[in-house]
Amino acid sequence: TQLLEQSPQFLSIQEGENLTVYCNSSSVFSSLQWYRQEPGEGPVLLVTVVTGGEVKKLKRLTFQFGDARKDSSLHITAAQPGDTGLYLCRGGGADGLTFGKGTHLIIQP
Amino acid sequence: NAGVTQTPKFRILKIGQSMTLQCTQDMNHNYMYWYRQDPGMGLKLIYYSVGAGITDKGEVPNGYNVSRSTTEDFPLRLELAAPSQTSVYFCASSKRRGAGELFFGEGSRLTVL
Repeated sequence: TQLLEQSPQFLSIQEGENLTVYCNSSSVFSSLQWYRQEPGEGPVLLVTVVTGGEVKKLKRLTFQFGDARKDSSLHITAAQPGDTGLYLCRGGGADGLTFGKGTHLIIQP
Repeated sequence: NAGVTQTPKFRILKIGQSMTLQCTQDMNHNYMYWYRQDPGMGLKLIYYSVGAGITDKGEVPNGYNVSRSTTEDFPLRLELAAPSQTSVYFCASSKRRGAGELFFGEGSRLTVL
């Protein structure tokens, strides 16, 4: 089973600031997904990336897949309180996909 | 559109009791999953199913059982509940395996005392 390391574990910033969170593995991902989970709810898919070097944008969120397909980042521009939540990456290969432990993000007004 | 529905949302069990967490989906997805989520530990896969009549173990299957008699339903059975099974349980479904999007229920919070 592929191990996914997410960093930082916790992040609290002020509204309007920019931030980046990371998802890394020692193995190559065949695909990688980012989910956001709000309190009391199940995770919701934000994006799937499959090609090394791929960049996808979702409004103020930018997702990047590393060239070697071993890492991914999520950058949020001008963070808003509505971005608060647990951000989970899910990735793996032919033997299945696993979740990282997540980054708890709090955006303070 | 209901998506994935889990019941109950909350339950308290005594050590040694048994119970079933219900999960149903109305998207005609073949793939269904049960995860548990513990603080700081992410989501761990308990069991999954690739279609009616077919189930398989995930990372942490001990103490649990599942069945899949229909495409829609995927109940999770806890036998002889233990404090270590205190967790939030999520059911999910997907149209395909691998990088297919997972659709989650709202979760069932279980406490074993």
